[in-house]
Amino acid sequence: QSALTQPASVSGSPGQSITISCTGTSSDVGGYNYVSWYQQHPGKAPKLIIYDVNTRPSGVSNRFSGSKSGNTASLTISGLQAEDEADYYCTSYTSTSTDLVFGGGTKLTVL
Amino acid sequence: QVQLQESGPGLVKPSETLSLTCTVSGGSVRSDIYYLSWIRQPPGKGLEWIGYIYYSGSTNYNPSLKSRVTMSVDTSKNQFSLRLSSVTAADTAVYYCASKRSDHLAHPYDYWGQGTLVTVSS
Repeated sequence: QSALTQPASVSGSPGQSITISCTGTSSDVGGYNYVSWYQQHPGKAPKLIIYDVNTRPSGVSNRFSGSKSGNTASLTISGLQAEDEADYYCTSYTSTSTDLVFGGGTKLTVL
Repeated sequence: QVQLQESGPGLVKPSETLSLTCTVSGGSVRSDIYYLSWIRQPPGKGLEWIGYIYYSGSTNYNPSLKSRVTMSVDTSKNQFSLRLSSVTAADTAVYYCASKRSDHLAHPYDYWGQGTLVTVSS
């Protein structure tokens, strides 16, 4: 069982917007502004797309945005494209003994 | 551009020790990247952080694996390594090496290797 809770799957049509939630506790998501999101295509390594809740690394499309409210963080993808179909993982810094905690991952299907 | 590449056996027998090495190019483990880490992903499942080693040799391991994990770093070769002892089928996974471009512990993992599948089977 993952430390952070994500929906197993979400779907949307091209051009639409979708949001993926990531729920933790006050020891991780709620306690720090250090939530990150990774995109993983099949057979590939995860790619960092959001860090520090809402910062995009250089080269990442501005269609990806992040936010946080309380113990829940969210990733929003606007203007869905076929290439966005992938698995998405949230992570957070944690005050526990581990470096970070991962969410269980969300499979995004572009219809 | 920093690149990481995992290497090691793709098949390990139960009860034996899994050994992997991550070779870093385009940057130095002493000054350009931080928190040299291993993260694994069982087939069809999510990501699990195994632990990290700092270039100085200090380590932090996932408590669930701590008793079986040893990490080391060879700054002269720009490599770091993972050893996982007493493996079982549950350790079958794609193993990634990863690191951060910041010395800030809360910074995410920017750099990832391509991953290597390790299967535990007799």
